[in-house]
Amino acid sequence: GQQLNQSPQSMFIQEGEDVSMNCTSSSIFNTWLWYKQDPGEGPVLLIALYKAGELTSNGRLTAQFGITRKDSFLNISASIPSDVGIYFCAGQRMDSSYKLIFGSGTRLLVRP
Amino acid sequence: NAGVTQTPKFQVLKTGQSMTLQCAQDMNHEYMSWYRQDPGMGLRLIHYSVGAGITDQGEVPNGYNVSRSTTEDFPLRLLSAAPSQTSVYFCASHTVLTPYEQYFGPGTRLTVT
Repeated sequence: GQQLNQSPQSMFIQEGEDVSMNCTSSSIFNTWLWYKQDPGEGPVLLIALYKAGELTSNGRLTAQFGITRKDSFLNISASIPSDVGIYFCAGQRMDSSYKLIFGSGTRLLVRP
Repeated sequence: NAGVTQTPKFQVLKTGQSMTLQCAQDMNHEYMSWYRQDPGMGLRLIHYSVGAGITDQGEVPNGYNVSRSTTEDFPLRLLSAAPSQTSVYFCASHTVLTPYEQYFGPGTRLTVT
């Protein structure tokens, strides 16, 4: 069953605002990833995190691997209309193989 | 490179019918996976393969079969479609060198009536 809690479920923001979303789990994860899905498309990898405490940026996106290994955060600065989509976190548990567990997604809408 | 391709894009089936969803990748990735995406539930792993001739079950395998005869192709078979299998299906692939960085196809939207 679902083992990642992703929040918020949806956000409707003004262009130019910053966005924050997060994923939490009761289990320890080895790896955290953040994907974006555009309408009618498959998810595309944005950022991969491999070490607790790691902070990684990709343009206006910044993600962090929580120090407890049970959470991760994604921030988007100065949002633009093309940021619209669904953002998924995914993680690989310490007690599993390479298989990923996905959060339920955060739907982001940006008002121009 | 075309990346990961999936056919068909859309499909409507009647309950009890069978069909095969096609997936192919041209990146020479060892690993391939099938996921289903349902509203509010994220992606759930159906089956996966770590190489030609090797497959294993994921989180929700019931009602689906897979085989992997080549590195490039990983078809997903629905044996007897049920309304509960209405979903969007994604195929993904990745290399053993970056096992968590999966590349997804565009998806197949399946409706079972």
